[in-house]
Amino acid sequence: GAGVSQTPSNKVTEKGKYVELRCDPISGHTALYWYRQSLGQGPEFLIYFQGTGAADDSGLPNDRFFAVRPEGSVSTLKIQRTERGDSAVYLCASSGGSGAGDTQYFGPGTRLTVL
Amino acid sequence: TQLLEQSPQFLSIQEGENLTVYCNSSSVFSSLQWYRQEPGEGPVLLVTVVTGGEVKKLKRLTFQFGDARKDSSLHITAAQPGDTGLYLCAGGLPGGKSTFGDGTTLTVKP
Repeated sequence: GAGVSQTPSNKVTEKGKYVELRCDPISGHTALYWYRQSLGQGPEFLIYFQGTGAADDSGLPNDRFFAVRPEGSVSTLKIQRTERGDSAVYLCASSGGSGAGDTQYFGPGTRLTVL
Repeated sequence: TQLLEQSPQFLSIQEGENLTVYCNSSSVFSSLQWYRQEPGEGPVLLVTVVTGGEVKKLKRLTFQFGDARKDSSLHITAAQPGDTGLYLCAGGLPGGKSTFGDGTTLTVKP
């Protein structure tokens, strides 16, 4: 596809469960970002990959959150022991460059609801 | 602590009116982006400004970056219902990540 895709579009889970959210970036984009957007707020940075490595994971709220990008393309955001406060839209973005100011192209997001 | 403050939070106007929304910070940014987001979709980039004092125009939209690169404004002339959406500003940080404001929700009534 031409844009960033995310699956699933919606995920409902129970408190304490494990979830995986997938992001397919634009082909050839080396940088990949995960953000979390709560209702009425702007996106909040979680983690940034340059290639296969996590260049900056300072936004991950705690050790229940983990993300991988093993082959430098698709990325998976993993959340263990989900809590109701994890409910939000999780956005993925990719860009072709490696510095500030590079255009980030966002996917439609995955809406996570923790009951 | 929110690095970028956007105002107003909500704005409802009639078609044909002009409006300005603001993005303010005490921090200096290397670049600042404006995005528009519609329900159920990710933000879409409208413009990037990088030089203090820079003004960019995109049809009916005019973007301005403050001289000190701490604040920005978005002015829309003759707003149309299609302009309805959430307008987000984002500051570029070292390493490529962005910090976002909480946005201005604009509603343009026909």
